Amino acid sequence: GQQLNQSPQSMFIQEGEDVSMNCTSSSIFNTWLWYKQDPGEGPVLLIALYKAGELTSNGRLTAQFGITRKDSFLNISASIPSDVGIYFCAGQRNDYKLSFGAGTTVTVRA
Amino acid sequence: KAGVTQTPRYLIKTRGQQVTLSCSPISGHRSVSWYQQTPGQGLQFLFEYFSETQRNKGNFPGRFSGRQFSNSRSEMNVSTLELGDSALYLCASSWLSMNTEAFFGQGTRLTVV
Repeated sequence: GQQLNQSPQSMFIQEGEDVSMNCTSSSIFNTWLWYKQDPGEGPVLLIALYKAGELTSNGRLTAQFGITRKDSFLNISASIPSDVGIYFCAGQRNDYKLSFGAGTTVTVRA
Repeated sequence: KAGVTQTPRYLIKTRGQQVTLSCSPISGHRSVSWYQQTPGQGLQFLFEYFSETQRNKGNFPGRFSGRQFSNSRSEMNVSTLELGDSALYLCASSWLSMNTEAFFGQGTRLTVV
């Protein structure tokens, strides 16, 4: 089940703005993954994080693995219309299972 | 290389029937996990298979079962379908185990009427 608290639940952003979302948990994770899902499609992996404190970028996306291993954030810089979608965080523990956040729905105002 | 392939993409079944969904992982990936996604519950873990063995299982009733073949392809079966089983069923494959990235297929949209 879902053990991750993802926030915000939804956001409306202006094109060109920077946005941030985060996930927190009471459990420690070994890996943090960030996915984006378009309607009717499967989630697409955006960024994978493997070490506490790690900061990784993928184009306009930047994500960090929290020092406590219980949280992660994702930033999107200079948002564009195709950034619309649902963003999920996922954490993986020693038992290999992925736990997912409830998702952040992003809508961009042109 | 080819991504994760799920078939069929869409399925309509009636209550009481059973259904089998298929997932072909990325070549070389040995782990396949299945998830149920609904608007109210989000992504819920069903089970994971690695080298033909079920390694993890989520909190779903026994009507949900799966298996993995020697070529790592996996099937998921749901028996005695209920209306509440309507969902997007996603499978994800990964190379090995811990600290590896999981890649999702496009999903199978199951509608139970």
